[in-house]
Amino acid sequence: GIQVEQSPPDLILQEGANSTLRCNFSDSVNNLQWFHQNPWGQLINLFYIPSGTKQNGRLSATTVATERYSLLYISSSQTTDSGVYFCAAMYSGGGADGLTFGKGTHLIIQP
Amino acid sequence: SQTIHQWPATLVQPVGSPLSLECTVEGTSNPNLYWYRQAAGRGLQLLFYSVGIGQISSEVPQNLSASRPQDRQFILSSKKLLLSDSGFYLCAKSRDGWYNEQFFGPGTRLTVL
Repeated sequence: GIQVEQSPPDLILQEGANSTLRCNFSDSVNNLQWFHQNPWGQLINLFYIPSGTKQNGRLSATTVATERYSLLYISSSQTTDSGVYFCAAMYSGGGADGLTFGKGTHLIIQP
Repeated sequence: SQTIHQWPATLVQPVGSPLSLECTVEGTSNPNLYWYRQAAGRGLQLLFYSVGIGQISSEVPQNLSASRPQDRQFILSSKKLLLSDSGFYLCAKSRDGWYNEQFFGPGTRLTVL
């Protein structure tokens, strides 16, 4: 099946800093999503972005499908941005499958 | 609406006891439904998915089973829990069709003692 790798595994930043999270995937995808897992475990949808670029406030994401990677940008970080960020992908040639998740990036924003 | 209900929210069960976790969704009819599990400190793993009533596909051989008795209801079960079944179970849905955005419920945290 498809492999999804995220980097870095951990990231500690000061409030106000910018960050870039990376997601590499091993095969062509028809679905790629970024999530933020809050302290209660809820997965919050950030972006549905199998290709192209999207922006939502301080967050933006870019997926270059031909090169098999996606980037999540967080600008002017706030303490509330802390948590685990997951990338998840679905292989385009696999038929009826769910999402394959990366192991996540644990982001800590210090005041 | 992307509302997904899961219950119970937390559960502590002894080894060998049965399990039933329920997920109900609102919004689109004939949604695709999924069960994922997140073990402590790890990413999420797909367990089961369903494209319709009575249609279940399993991704990982395990001690669990799933059923879909109604269009918007998805149930995760076990006859006898193992310690390794502990984890955070999340139900997800997407619109009919495989390449649509998935949305997740609040999850059930299961501890098997």
